[in-house]
Amino acid sequence: DIQMTQSPSAMSASVGDRVTITCRASQGISDYLAWFQQRPGKAPKCLIDAANKLQSGVPSRFSGSGSGTEFTLTISSLQPEDFATYYCLQHKGYPPTFGQGTKVEIK
Amino acid sequence: EVQLVESGGGLVQPGGSLRLSCAASGFTFSDRYMDWVRQAPGKGLEWVGRIRRKVDSYTTEYAASVKGRFTISRDDATNSLYLEMNSLNTEDTAVYFCVRSATGWYNWFDTWGQGTLVIVSS
Repeated sequence: DIQMTQSPSAMSASVGDRVTITCRASQGISDYLAWFQQRPGKAPKCLIDAANKLQSGVPSRFSGSGSGTEFTLTISSLQPEDFATYYCLQHKGYPPTFGQGTKVEIK
Repeated sequence: EVQLVESGGGLVQPGGSLRLSCAASGFTFSDRYMDWVRQAPGKGLEWVGRIRRKVDSYTTEYAASVKGRFTISRDDATNSLYLEMNSLNTEDTAVYFCVRSATGWYNWFDTWGQGTLVIVSS
């Protein structure tokens, strides 16, 4: 199975901060990488697919980059509603695997 | 509006069985692959399995942790997805999400239900 390692596992940030989350794959996955946001008690929501394609309705402060084994999710200016847990997902093959999550908390 | 609504969760004893359902609406259900993803309390996300379309012979894929115990099925006539779970153990305790996917290499897991909680305990 392809392992996905996210870093950091948790972080504290302030409104307006630039936030970067990294996901590393144990082997090359091209751009078969998606990012999800999960607010407490809610279902995950897809933010980005194909490593850098913003899903419809997702604010432009979110962006994704990377290819192969190294990927990043960037929030350019953190907003109050962005405090949540973020997961990466590789879907190059079966089984699809998630990173362990990054919890973004209010500083 | 695309909607996925799970039901059927609850408390079950170790070794027991449970059947989850997912009612889909707002899209052409028969055109989509459908998945189940679970989340143990306070933990991350784990893919459970997938069922493809009729044109793909309704083939399925499963995570190693559930293979041989769980079965995914669908009824395109009623826009319903099912997860039959047998030989349940405490490690299966989780919220189970019904998830819509595309049929190609992208747009996996693009819409999620709200989840249904399964607790395996004596």
